[in-house]
Amino acid sequence: DGGITQSPKYLFRKEGQNVTLSCEQNLNHDAMYWYRQDPGQGLRLIYYSQIVNDFQKGDIAEGYSVSREKKESFPLTVTSAQKNPTAFYLCASGDPGAGNTIYFGEGSWLTVV
Amino acid sequence: GQQVMQIPQYQHVQEGEDFTTYCNSSTTLSNIQWYKQRPGGHPVFLIQLVKSGEVKKQKRLTFQFGEAKKNSSLHITATQTTDVGTYFCAGPIGWDDKIIFGKGTRLHILP
Repeated sequence: DGGITQSPKYLFRKEGQNVTLSCEQNLNHDAMYWYRQDPGQGLRLIYYSQIVNDFQKGDIAEGYSVSREKKESFPLTVTSAQKNPTAFYLCASGDPGAGNTIYFGEGSWLTVV
Repeated sequence: GQQVMQIPQYQHVQEGEDFTTYCNSSTTLSNIQWYKQRPGGHPVFLIQLVKSGEVKKQKRLTFQFGEAKKNSSLHITATQTTDVGTYFCAGPIGWDDKIIFGKGTRLHILP
């Protein structure tokens, strides 16, 4: 099936640990995004990448890191420096040639325990 | 920070009533996009508007793009329980057209 696959769907992290959220797409999209969603806060951009081997910080990049070594993959690492990581994380990809409309994965719930 | 503003944040309507959410950008947009997120789900693309003053319809949903391409609205006629969810507008912002979302309007339908 075509689309965006995020894993894991649910993740528990102990304080002080780094965790990595996986995002894979087979839509052949150049652009990929990570958003964080908290109740009442909408979707806030963490990082985005318009092309392989390049990525840019979004509005709330502190405490997060990404890599874009392959077109299909855009993993997000939530580091111990992120003080309030409990949230719903959404990965998305887009095609700039189509007005950059974006398509989301099903999301990953991260809880700090 | 966020440069796409959306109001209201919440809206409760009786089933059968109309609903409207408004979106404003601090800059002119090349296009505006609308997404719907059902409770417990992920946002799903609804539509994209590109032209100044454009109006598009999807059954009971009417989308408008302002003449200055800085504002947009989504109007739902005669709401149904299936319309429950959060509606987001989004637009390409900045030199690299990164997609920035409004905070969304959560629609709740009263039976």
